[in-house]
Amino acid sequence: AQSVTQPDIHITVSEGASLELRCNYSYGATPYLFWYVQSPGQGLQLLLKYFSGDTLVQGIKGFEAEFKRSQSSFNLRKPSVHWSDAAEYFCAVGPPDSNYQLIWGAGTKLIIKP
Amino acid sequence: EADIYQTPRYLVIGTGKKITLECSQTMGHDKMYWYQQDPGMELHLIHYSYGVNSTEKGDLSSESTVSRIRTEHFPLTLESARPSHTSQYLCASSERATAYEQYFGPGTRLTVT
Repeated sequence: AQSVTQPDIHITVSEGASLELRCNYSYGATPYLFWYVQSPGQGLQLLLKYFSGDTLVQGIKGFEAEFKRSQSSFNLRKPSVHWSDAAEYFCAVGPPDSNYQLIWGAGTKLIIKP
Repeated sequence: EADIYQTPRYLVIGTGKKITLECSQTMGHDKMYWYQQDPGMELHLIHYSYGVNSTEKGDLSSESTVSRIRTEHFPLTLESARPSHTSQYLCASSERATAYEQYFGPGTRLTVT
């Protein structure tokens, strides 16, 4: 069955430190890949997406993600986090044959230490 | 900034009541979705629509129903609320051409007592 795993429920990072959030997926071929962010009391916002081509994709708010086919991973990174990055981050997969339905990870809550 | 609205934002209601959660978008998107979100869990798609008069059930069984009479409006109705319906409900929309890129409303947090 298709699935998305975000191994870390919570991550705590000091302000100014680098960040990496992990995402692994289970799917036979390469799906479309997404990261969304949900700030407290808000809906989800698309951070970045990968469809094909360059495996390092840039998104909004200084985030980037790297697709690694051999590891079935799509990890999210940011070189220096800001307090405003505190939020919940969701990885999602869109299998091309899914009729545009996304499969979601359970999310990783990012906590920023001052 | 996406223009998709949900009302109410918070709702506490007793068992057996009928409720309707409203969702509207001003972007002219064809596709709309309802998700159920519980803490620490992935989002589950409960309903979606490709356009006016089109509705489909998602991968999570739900006792709710939806309608799509106008492009911009996609309300979700529970005929008889139960405590098991307590959850956060997120509405989203997307363009036909870029359907994976979904825009989300702020959500309705429903508590059934």
